[in-house]
Amino acid sequence: EAQVTQNPRYLITVTGKKLTVTCSQNMNHEYMSWYRQDPGLGLRQIYYSMNVEVTDKGDVPEGYKVSRKEKRNFPLILESPSPNQTSLYFCASSDPGQGKGETQYFGPGTRLLVL
Amino acid sequence: DAKTTQPPSMDCAEGRAANLPCNHSTISGNEYVYWYRQIHSQGPQYIIHGLKNNETNEMASLIITEDRKSSTLILPHATLRDTAVYYCIAARRGSTLGRLYFGRGTQLTVWP
Repeated sequence: EAQVTQNPRYLITVTGKKLTVTCSQNMNHEYMSWYRQDPGLGLRQIYYSMNVEVTDKGDVPEGYKVSRKEKRNFPLILESPSPNQTSLYFCASSDPGQGKGETQYFGPGTRLLVL
Repeated sequence: DAKTTQPPSMDCAEGRAANLPCNHSTISGNEYVYWYRQIHSQGPQYIIHGLKNNETNEMASLIITEDRKSSTLILPHATLRDTAVYYCIAARRGSTLGRLYFGRGTQLTVWP
């Protein structure tokens, strides 16, 4: 089954404790991205990647890092989480071939609470 | 990418057609209209997209006006499971590098 998976689905942590949210897709997509969703602010893109070793900042990259060492994986790293990073996070992937980069597949989401 | 405007909320009776409007009066000639939906706190789901012709798939129909300044997503027989936030996005196909801008969308509530 074609899918995007995220782990963990729920996470409670404390300020300053480094964490990684994993994202993996099995569709051989080149494009991957991370979004966060907050009440009243909608979905905002954090980082995106066009291919292995090619990443760029989205609209709200502060406090986050990403890496794309393999095509299927795109982990989101919070080196020193703060309470304002409490949010619902989504990973997405898409295939730029045949102009399909805008048809994105989203993961189920990771709900993060930073105390 | 052109800005889109959608009503914040709509409701619809189960079994009836749900018609969700979207205004994109500044859309350029090479921008497509994409529709996604997000069922409560789940990941957004792609529904359909179109350029100027009407489109239909197993989920919905998309009607784009001749001047392309607005469009309507039609769910022909809405069910309770169609209750979700629906997003209308204008984007140039093949050029966004996978970056999409989701606005506030329309909260569709389907009632029994």
